[in-house]
Amino acid sequence: DAKTTQPNSMESNEEEPVHLPCNHSTISGTDYIHWYRQLPSQGPEYVIHGLTSNVNNRMASLAIAEDRKSSTLILHRATLRDAAVYYCILRPLLYGGATNKLIFGTGTLLAVQP
Amino acid sequence: AAGVIQSPRHLIKEKRETATLKCYPIPRHDTVYWYQQGPGQDPQFLISFYEKMQSDKGSIPDRFSAQQFSDYHSELNMSSLELGDSALYFCASSVGQSSSGANVLTFGAGSRLTVL
Repeated sequence: DAKTTQPNSMESNEEEPVHLPCNHSTISGTDYIHWYRQLPSQGPEYVIHGLTSNVNNRMASLAIAEDRKSSTLILHRATLRDAAVYYCILRPLLYGGATNKLIFGTGTLLAVQP
Repeated sequence: AAGVIQSPRHLIKEKRETATLKCYPIPRHDTVYWYQQGPGQDPQFLISFYEKMQSDKGSIPDRFSAQQFSDYHSELNMSSLELGDSALYFCASSVGQSSSGANVLTFGAGSRLTVL
């Protein structure tokens, strides 16, 4: 499975934008890039996903490099409630009816300062 | 909107005892996943079910078993509990046996198991 590399931790100030990077140099053409986050003592939560084009939703934006070997999750205005571990996960195209489970690597612990 | 419901939220057991965790997926979700998260660790995939059949298996100990019932809820049974089984157990659900990487998992709040 293609792997992702993220910084172990990042800090941000409240109400400022946050750019969380992810490297995935071995990504294949059919791998989707997903981001999940896990707030303290809660279950992981879906944030956003994309394949080739940049994506926006109410939570965040996903910027995907043209060669798809890296991506950046953008939180436009960080709040204290955004303090969490953010996971960048590649999800492949599977064959034979296999279940497309999520494989969590080591994410980025985002601290937001007031 | 309905979410994934897990019960119990907290469970305390003694070593060598048995525990059962329950998961109720979002309505019309037919795939259920179980994850284990030890202290300070990332979630680890245990097992998944699609349409009541086991569809994938991860690092689930032989002492653990699981099934998905006709109403799509799932139960994780853990026997001969060990101290190392103390962890958060998350259930997630999704729609369809999607082979593409586009489908999204919705997680429950988790069940915290403490083995004394």
